[in-house]
Amino acid sequence: EIVLTQSPGTLSLAPGERATLSCRASQIIASSNLAWYQQKAGQSPRLLIYGASSRATGIPDRFSGSGSGADFTLTISRLEPEDFAVYYCQHYVTSPITFGQGTRLEIK
Amino acid sequence: EVQLIQSAPQVKKPGESLKISCRGSGYTFATYSIGWVRQMAGKGLEWMGIIYIGDSDTRYSPSFQGQVTMSIDKSTRTAYLQWSSLKASDTAMYYCARLWPHCSNAMCYFDFWGRGTLVTVSS
Repeated sequence: EIVLTQSPGTLSLAPGERATLSCRASQIIASSNLAWYQQKAGQSPRLLIYGASSRATGIPDRFSGSGSGADFTLTISRLEPEDFAVYYCQHYVTSPITFGQGTRLEIK
Repeated sequence: EVQLIQSAPQVKKPGESLKISCRGSGYTFATYSIGWVRQMAGKGLEWMGIIYIGDSDTRYSPSFQGQVTMSIDKSTRTAYLQWSSLKASDTAMYYCARLWPHCSNAMCYFDFWGRGTLVTVSS
């Protein structure tokens, strides 16, 4: 099973600042089969990024994904008030699919 | 508009059975397999498994193998998740999600999620 470790656990930033979230895998993620999701309080997750760097439909371009191998990053260039949420990475290399434990992005 | 309409919250006692549903609308149901994800209160996302739309084959996470059963009824555009004997530890929110169909292997990401069904198991 591929273990995904996200860091930091909580990130405190102000609107307008840049957020950098990390997702590290316990083994190489082949073909960059990694996705990122956003989950706001009381809502279901929403797909942000797939293939490590491709934005899903309707996702603003302030969200970007990068990385390869075992290290991946989600960057939010300038935080908007609606971006404060929990973010999860997920691999889809093979079964079992696993998610990272999440990074909570909170308002400073 | 794509929708995955999940069944209402459920309150059950330990040992009871339960079947929750997820009905797809606004898209070609026969194209997308359905995954299920558990989220316990205040915790992260846990992949439970996938039911494949083509042949109704299932792939379960080892953590949930033998604990739940996934099924699908293409005629009613509905996927199901069921338990034969609930435990208190099954208390959680359960999400169904649509599996993107164009990945090169049997696993993929989830491009659209239902709003979840809250299951509470308590004596």
